[in-house]
Amino acid sequence: NAGVTQTPKFQVLKTGQSMTLQCAQDMNHNSMYWYRQDPGMGLRLIYYSASEGTTDKGEVPNGYNVSRLNKREFSLRLESAAPSQTSVYFCASSEVIMSGELFFGEGSRLTVL
Amino acid sequence: GQQVMQIPQYQHVQEGEDFTTYCNSSTTLSNIQWYKQRPGGHPVFLIQLVKSGEVKKQKRLTFQFGEAKKNSSLHITATQTTDVGTYFCAGRYYGGSQGNLIFGKGTKLSVKP
Repeated sequence: NAGVTQTPKFQVLKTGQSMTLQCAQDMNHNSMYWYRQDPGMGLRLIYYSASEGTTDKGEVPNGYNVSRLNKREFSLRLESAAPSQTSVYFCASSEVIMSGELFFGEGSRLTVL
Repeated sequence: GQQVMQIPQYQHVQEGEDFTTYCNSSTTLSNIQWYKQRPGGHPVFLIQLVKSGEVKKQKRLTFQFGEAKKNSSLHITATQTTDVGTYFCAGRYYGGSQGNLIFGKGTKLSVKP
C-alpha cells in the first residue's frame, strides 16, 4: 500500500503564481487534512474534510482553497502565492474525524520567491 | 485559541542517557497523541492516550497522560541514535473544531554516539 501520496514533492513559484498540491490516499479513509509546517511552529491545520463532500477551515486557511474530489483525493490550491506561503505542506488522512491516528504523506516543499 | 505548550524545544543527549519531553494545556484535553518526525521526513504516529492517568509503554518509550488530562509526557529510556528526530504531541479539546488536532511545536532530540 502506498498510503498517502502527495505531488509535487518540491515546487518553486514566483509571487502571484498559482498552483495545486495533490493528495491521494488508498486506505479508504473518510477524513483528510492539509497542514503546513514552518520552522519552530509545529504543524498548523489549513483545511480539512471530515468526509467526502465536506470541507472546513482550520487554523490558517487564508490564501488557500481545497477540493475533496472524491473519497481518495483532497487537493490544496494557492490562487496567488505569497512569500509567506513558503513552507512544507503535509497531507494526512484518518479513518474518522476526531479520533484515531493521522497518516501523513511525505510532504511538499514549496518556495515562493 | 487553544494551545499546547511543549518543552523543551531542543534536547541534546549522549547515547544511553534518558530523555523526556512534556506537553501542557491550560484546558482539559479529550485525548492526546504523540508523533515522531525523523529529519527530512514526515510525522509518524506513535500513540494515543485517552484516559485520565493513563500510562502506556512501547519498548523504551513511556507515555503518560495526567490525571487532569491537561498534561502529558514522553520518556525515552537509554536513548539510541535511532531515536533522533522531533517529537510532537497533539491534543484534542472537548467541543473543539472537529478537525483540529492542536500540535505542540515539538522537541528536537539529538543523540551523540
